[in-house]
Amino acid sequence: DTGVSQDPRHKITKRGQNVTFRCDPISEHNRLYWYRQTLGQGPEFLTYFQNEAQLEKSRLLSDRFSAERPKGSFSTLEIQRTEQGDSAMYLCASSRNPGNTIYFGEGSWLTVV
Amino acid sequence: ELKVEQNPLFLSMQEGKNYTIYCNYSTTSDRLYWYRQDPGKSLESLFVLLSNGAVKQEGRLMASLDTKARLSTLHITAAVHDLSATYFCQCAGGTSYGKLTFGQGTILTVHP
Repeated sequence: DTGVSQDPRHKITKRGQNVTFRCDPISEHNRLYWYRQTLGQGPEFLTYFQNEAQLEKSRLLSDRFSAERPKGSFSTLEIQRTEQGDSAMYLCASSRNPGNTIYFGEGSWLTVV
Repeated sequence: ELKVEQNPLFLSMQEGKNYTIYCNYSTTSDRLYWYRQDPGKSLESLFVLLSNGAVKQEGRLMASLDTKARLSTLHITAAVHDLSATYFCQCAGGTSYGKLTFGQGTILTVHP
């Protein structure tokens, strides 16, 4: 296993711009999760996929956030019209099935200036 | 909505001592996870607990799950400096099978 891969690792953007993060899960992992973590806090659930189906989405996600996993493999998380409050680390994780170990990627750090 | 609470939030330990971190959750859950996070890094999976009475051990760490009490513990035996990190518990609960909620984290510092 090569691990969960996230890209880019760091992103600085101006307020109002759109950003997109990509996550490549471990091969054959059906479940894919997105979390957001700010400094000193625990990760907050954003959304999860079972294969290509987005099964749940947090109320934390406003209309500015969207996630896709079009072929049940990699996933993208897009944030439109970024705000300073979006500055955080965005974490992607995957697992084979519920109840299996969940593996996290290294995270994508977003700074909105 | 599922709530997950850890205590203590901050733990300063001497090397060689034992201590326990507690994780309480508010609704029934069939899975409980423990993670370690080093500063500026991502999360490393430590344990997955799937049933009442489950106990798992790895080195100086031992995790247990009591689903009736809605409580998991992470016990640290003879702490060493390398265990200094933030520890999180995470569980799924209620009607949501995939929405996994984290506790606030416990910042552990082990000093000589």
